Amino acid sequence: DAKTTQPPSMDCAEGRAANLPCNHSTISGNEYVYWYRQIHSQGPQYIIHGLKNNETNEMASLIITEDRKSSTLILPHATLRDTAVYYCIVRAWGFGNEKLTFGTGTRLTIIP
Amino acid sequence: DTGVSQDPRHKITKRGQNVTFRCDPISEHNRLYWYRQTLGQGPEFLTYFQNEAQLEKSRLLSDRFSAERPKGSFSTLEIQRTEQGDSAMYLCASSSDPGLENSPLHFGNGTRLTVT
Repeated sequence: DAKTTQPPSMDCAEGRAANLPCNHSTISGNEYVYWYRQIHSQGPQYIIHGLKNNETNEMASLIITEDRKSSTLILPHATLRDTAVYYCIVRAWGFGNEKLTFGTGTRLTIIP
Repeated sequence: DTGVSQDPRHKITKRGQNVTFRCDPISEHNRLYWYRQTLGQGPEFLTYFQNEAQLEKSRLLSDRFSAERPKGSFSTLEIQRTEQGDSAMYLCASSSDPGLENSPLHFGNGTRLTVT
């Protein structure tokens, strides 16, 4: 059963910040939030992950609410190359539970 | 760049034939995963290895499917007596031993199988 809920599609203007929401209201204390994206005909690409603190790297920022029931992935200055399907995944941490379970993600289209 | 490498990138086969795919993980990674992805869906977990040990298999992995990682390095996924429903992208991923690092999976670009 799905552990995350994402909008099926979103548009964003090139150069603007893309904010992708994700609900994970049943997240457990030992589950991390991971974000991947998949560009057509390629494998999923790791973007970022976090437990409860906000995280930032060279690709994106991850904002997790204080109750950890939702999060937002922010691409600060979207380019056409950011057009992809974005997956929000909760990943348990413990022996035998390290696999990723993908949903259907959000199809983000960057508009010139 | 020594990312995850998969071979072949595309495979077309006739129903009933056997096929084998290869995955070369990132060299220092001891965990290796296989996923399957059909059009419009997210990747679905098939199985994973820690070193040469196969630790978990999904119910999707029917008895026609077998995966091996004989020396804890590269892995092969074989499908026997292929069916049209096996047509999909087969993805391989690797990660380092999680420990305290909670290491992400890194994916290859997959092998696209078409069964005619």
